[in-house]
Amino acid sequence: GNSVTQMEGPVTLSEEAFLTINCTYTATGYPSLFWYVQYPGEGLQLLLKATKADDKGSNKGFEATYRKETTSFHLEKGSVQVSDSAVYFCALTVNTDKLIFGTGTRLQVFP
Amino acid sequence: NAGVTQTPKFRVLKTGQSMTLLCAQDMNHEYMYWYRQDPGMGLRLIHYSVGEGTTAKGEVPDGYNVSRLKKQNFLLGLESAAPSQTSVYFCASSYPSGGRETQYFGPGTRLLVL
Repeated sequence: GNSVTQMEGPVTLSEEAFLTINCTYTATGYPSLFWYVQYPGEGLQLLLKATKADDKGSNKGFEATYRKETTSFHLEKGSVQVSDSAVYFCALTVNTDKLIFGTGTRLQVFP
Repeated sequence: NAGVTQTPKFRVLKTGQSMTLLCAQDMNHEYMYWYRQDPGMGLRLIHYSVGEGTTAKGEVPDGYNVSRLKKQNFLLGLESAAPSQTSVYFCASSYPSGGRETQYFGPGTRLLVL
């Protein structure tokens, strides 16, 4: 079946550090890939997406590249801020509108 | 433009009680969804709707019912609440796109079943 695996958190970083959150997927067919972010006390909001292989999604300094050969969609940011502290979810869809989520990775950024 | 709103924000129920969670969206989206979020499990789809008057089961539908009488509203019902239904419930909506478009989420309803 289709599934998403994320690295376990929490990920704890100092401000201005480099961030990587790993995400790999299993899918039959050609998935679309998403990163959603959940700030404390809020619902999820789309951070970025990629709908075909080698596409790079980017937003707010975050980037992720759709790698079909390694079935990965790792999230990166060159310099994190305290305001980036949140839970990050990797997700996919395969020819439907039903999202399949990973378990989420909590990021904590300290000044 | 309020986006997706959910009512109530927080609720405490006793085992066996019933309640209805309301989701409303003002973006004219065809599709609506109900998810539950539990620690260590991400979000799981309970039920969804592809249009007014239609509903379908998701990954974890047992113990829940839904209705979509109006395009902008999607109701989630618990007929006889159980402690296993303690969770945070999120509603979302989207345009039909074969999975390529964004889902927009509400702020969530925190439910505690004692």
